[in-house]
Amino acid sequence: GDSVTQMEGPVTLSEEAFLTINCTYTATGYPSLFWYVQYPGEGLQLLLKATKADDKGSNKGFEATYRKETTSFHLEKGSVQVSDSAVYFCALSERTRGGGKLIFGQGTELSVKP
Amino acid sequence: EAQVTQNPRYLITVTGKKLTVTCSQNMNHEYMSWYRQDPGLGLRQIYYSMNVEVTDKGDVPEGYKVSRKEKRNFPLILESPSPNQTSLYFCASKERGSSYEQYFGPGTRLTVT
Repeated sequence: GDSVTQMEGPVTLSEEAFLTINCTYTATGYPSLFWYVQYPGEGLQLLLKATKADDKGSNKGFEATYRKETTSFHLEKGSVQVSDSAVYFCALSERTRGGGKLIFGQGTELSVKP
Repeated sequence: EAQVTQNPRYLITVTGKKLTVTCSQNMNHEYMSWYRQDPGLGLRQIYYSMNVEVTDKGDVPEGYKVSRKEKRNFPLILESPSPNQTSLYFCASKERGSSYEQYFGPGTRLTVT
């Protein structure tokens, strides 16, 4: 079945450092890809998405490009802030069953130190 | 404000005591689902519903029930909770179609002793 694998955490960075969180997927069709962020004690919220190959999603300085040839959707940010400390989930959305099911990676915890 | 609400936010209960976690959305979404979040496993879908009176199993449905009598509500029922159902639960809703984002509730942390 479809699956998502993301890099192990926790990741600890200093403020203004460059961030990359790797995400690769396995899917039989052409899924949509998402990054969700979970701040402490809160639910998940969408960070960015891409719905077809070569699309780039971006939001709040974060970017990710849908790479079909490498089945990847790596999350990047040029300069992280303390407020970016959270758990980040990569996910894909299957096109079957109403297109509603999200398959998540295991999550990567990011801690940014001042 | 567009939102998904869940109640209760925290619940401690004992094995075998039936409980219900409520979920409601105000966005007129057709698709709703329940996920559980466990360390190292990400989120896994328990049940989903594509419309009123239409529900189906997700990846981990054992020990859970759901109902969808109204479009806005999608309660999760644990008829005989067990300790392995201790987890963080999220309700979510979205428009139908794989490209649409899901909107998540704030979560319900359940402990079964």
